[in-house]
Amino acid sequence: DVKVTQSSRYLVKRTGEKVFLECVQDMDHENMFWYRQDPGLGLRLIYFSYDVKMKEKGDIPEGYSVSREKKERFSLILESASTNQTSMYLCASGRSYGYTFGSGTRLTVV
Amino acid sequence: QQPVQSPQAVILREGEDAVINCSSSKALYSVHWYRQKHGEAPVFLMILLKGGEQKGHEKISASFNEKKQQSSLYLTASQLSYSGTYFCGTVTGGGNKLTFGTGTQLKVEL
Repeated sequence: DVKVTQSSRYLVKRTGEKVFLECVQDMDHENMFWYRQDPGLGLRLIYFSYDVKMKEKGDIPEGYSVSREKKERFSLILESASTNQTSMYLCASGRSYGYTFGSGTRLTVV
Repeated sequence: QQPVQSPQAVILREGEDAVINCSSSKALYSVHWYRQKHGEAPVFLMILLKGGEQKGHEKISASFNEKKQQSSLYLTASQLSYSGTYFCGTVTGGGNKLTFGTGTQLKVEL
């Protein structure tokens, strides 16, 4: 079974802090995604990576950056956290025929 | 751009049928369907590739109309376990960037 692991289930950070969210997969997948989930807005794509060091912006990349130095790890970086980035963050990994999600990180920015 | 799902929410009695629709403003390469139960990660149900195919998964099936840029998910003889939020995800053009809709909340009652 594919395992997609997000490093923290719950995270509380202060406004202005630099925040790192980590996602690790164990199946040598090319494609990895970061989404945020907010009530009524569904799953919104922040960034997508299709290989090491390769990335594409999603629908809401502002305020975020990503890093993929190794195939198994895809990091989401909040350069200067703000309260409107309080959300559930979900990572997904897989090949084009179906993806596995991590269990999510609920980030609260205070 | 997020695909549009309808309805936003539906309540069924056990044994009833439901249809969830997903439409895109762009030409579709593939459509994914996922189900998310409360407090859990989304789980992959099925993928449909362009070519107008229909797929089945137990009593859950889906169709894909490439010309109309639409997909529909059919749930027949619903069970309590079908409750959750259903998301369609679309891939438009080349590549594997997957964008989700806002979801359809489905509740099955006795």
